[in-house]
Amino acid sequence: NAGVTQTPKFRVLKTGQSMTLLCAQDMNHEYMYWYRQDPGMGLRLIHYSVGEGTTAKGEVPDGYNVSRLKKQNFLLGLESAAPSQTSVYFCASKKAQETQYFGPGTRLLVL
Amino acid sequence: AQSVTQPDIHITVSEGASLELRCNYSYGATPYLFWYVQSPGQGLQLLLKYFSGDTLVQGIKGFEAEFKRSQSSFNLRKPSVHWSDAAEYFCAVSTTSGTYKYIFGTGTRLKVLA
Repeated sequence: NAGVTQTPKFRVLKTGQSMTLLCAQDMNHEYMYWYRQDPGMGLRLIHYSVGEGTTAKGEVPDGYNVSRLKKQNFLLGLESAAPSQTSVYFCASKKAQETQYFGPGTRLLVL
Repeated sequence: AQSVTQPDIHITVSEGASLELRCNYSYGATPYLFWYVQSPGQGLQLLLKYFSGDTLVQGIKGFEAEFKRSQSSFNLRKPSVHWSDAAEYFCAVSTTSGTYKYIFGTGTRLKVLA
């Protein structure tokens, strides 16, 4: 099992550009999450999904959209990137009553 | 609403000394509780978790944590710190049903002196 993988590992964007981050898991997990990590602020939940075809807003959803068309994939989109979205993004997945498994992270720099 | 407080932003200890990292939470019932460790530039590694049962939980790398319901705390301890323990430590709580969303603390950065 590859576990939770994230693509890409690192990306540089210019302000206003768009991009999609891909999270994939091969553990048949129902729940998936996107977090951002900023210095001194821990991890904050952006969006999450409790099953295929469902998504919901987390703590800091503004400027992001998500889709969960397939159970194994959870996509995070930035329609018009802003410097404030420079961060490290982590994806996680889990089954009910178990812990979350985290991906290795995606470093995004918005200039 | 859930919240997690890690009151110590930075902690410095000497190698071989004992360690305690504090974590306090706010939640309407007993949540699920976790400690993660993150080395610079790396992802998160689960150290230990509490779901129910014995309130003293053993984890990897010689760490343990104790759930104290009366104090709403889940402090992480290690009797003798190694230089390789230098990292950032995050406490997290989660709901026990429904969305299972995690709320993370802001982290404690541990420095170990040789």
